[in-house]
Amino acid sequence: RKEVEQDPGPFNVPEGATVAFNCTYSNSASQSFFWYRQDCRKEPKLLMSVYSSGNEDGRFTAQLNRASQYISLLIRDSKLSDSATYLCVVNGAGNMLTFGGGTRLMVKP
Amino acid sequence: DTGVSQNPRHKITKRGQNVTFRCDPISEHNRLYWYRQTLGQGPEFLTYFQNEAQLEKSRLLSDRFSAERPKGSFSTLEIQRTEQGDSAMYLCASSSTGGDEKLFFGSGTQLSVL
Repeated sequence: RKEVEQDPGPFNVPEGATVAFNCTYSNSASQSFFWYRQDCRKEPKLLMSVYSSGNEDGRFTAQLNRASQYISLLIRDSKLSDSATYLCVVNGAGNMLTFGGGTRLMVKP
Repeated sequence: DTGVSQNPRHKITKRGQNVTFRCDPISEHNRLYWYRQTLGQGPEFLTYFQNEAQLEKSRLLSDRFSAERPKGSFSTLEIQRTEQGDSAMYLCASSSTGGDEKLFFGSGTQLSVL
């Protein structure tokens, strides 16, 4: 089993839609969780950290479920500019930051 | 530009040749990471430095790969006797200590082994 797993997608949604991604992780001792965004042929950039109580940043909401070992990202009112790959990141074995394979989102007019 | 800088942006080499990449992290960051990414996959951890000490190295990393950070500032990643399977984007990232593990990435070095 991979340390961090994501549905690769693609998720094809119309503008204005709400879309959610999940990410599961295997190391129950993990303490740090993040969502990164990666545009085509660009480097990953931090989208948001994920806190135990859940957190929101504008149209983006991140949640952590420690019991089931998954984190989620919800995007409301999708914009064309949200089209990208969303990478889940967890600190795993050896405290290394481990990336999931990414979920590709395509928002269409 | 005070972000993470990587050189070169692109490298084309023939199988069997050695290549070296350089990464200059954000100046106040003492942690430096190397990742490798192939098309359609997430970044794969290679190695990690805190200051000049190499603290973690992926067991997936063959002996042909070596990384250094001699003065705790810039880092180099060398691949000896390159193979076609080494073709990938090599990403460098840095972060600061003090509980903040947020990574800031450079633009990467795209390696093509012919």
